[in-house]
Amino acid sequence: EVQLVESGGGLVQPGGSLRLSCAASGFTFSRFWMSWVRQAPGKGLEWVANIKQDASETFHVDSVKGRFTISRDNAKNSLYLQMNSLRAEDTGVYYCASLGLQTGNRDYWGQGTLVTVSS
Amino acid sequence: DIVMTQTPLSSPVTPGQPASISCRSSQSLVHSDGNTYFSWLQQRPGQPPRLLIYKISNRFSGVPDRFSGSGAGTDFTLKISRVEAEDVGVYYCLQATQFPFTFGQGTKLEIK
Repeated sequence: EVQLVESGGGLVQPGGSLRLSCAASGFTFSRFWMSWVRQAPGKGLEWVANIKQDASETFHVDSVKGRFTISRDNAKNSLYLQMNSLRAEDTGVYYCASLGLQTGNRDYWGQGTLVTVSS
Repeated sequence: DIVMTQTPLSSPVTPGQPASISCRSSQSLVHSDGNTYFSWLQQRPGQPPRLLIYKISNRFSGVPDRFSGSGAGTDFTLKISRVEAEDVGVYYCLQATQFPFTFGQGTKLEIK
């Protein structure tokens, strides 16, 4: 059974940092691009970042560039999102995901971890 | 960034009746490899999203055949032939042709 389990969310003050983790199991993690997608409370979905199988390429949405960094450890089947200089508008549920948007061969989502940025 | 615009934003539907959601992109979604990486996702209340359709019209595994996708270039449509109670949720279009990937605002499907 495929599982993506996020952790590391919580309450943090503006300007603070958090590191989200996503533990993957049930599939060959190292074969696929991985992503973080977020959702502000009561709002729509926003794609945050992608990382290639070997971490040689990463992409971040403009709103988080220079503040967030996606990374992975294939030996540990884990995906990460280092979030620095957090702002109130970063509040939301962060999902770890791997979608086969080109091949249709997978649709993997975690249950999400809530990040709240507030003083 | 490519902007994705969905209409309508809310759609009350009677069970057994059809439903249709449109999505327009601010530029063509045809990739340099000739494919169009346009998808539809469903998010039921309290759940993570779920992939319904990829590359315009391909149903993901396990998706009922009452869901169908069509379109080309910048204009796309999701149709539900006969809405069922379990279809309640928010539907999002998504382009994966160009980074950053971008979603539409979402369309809330409600049962009358």
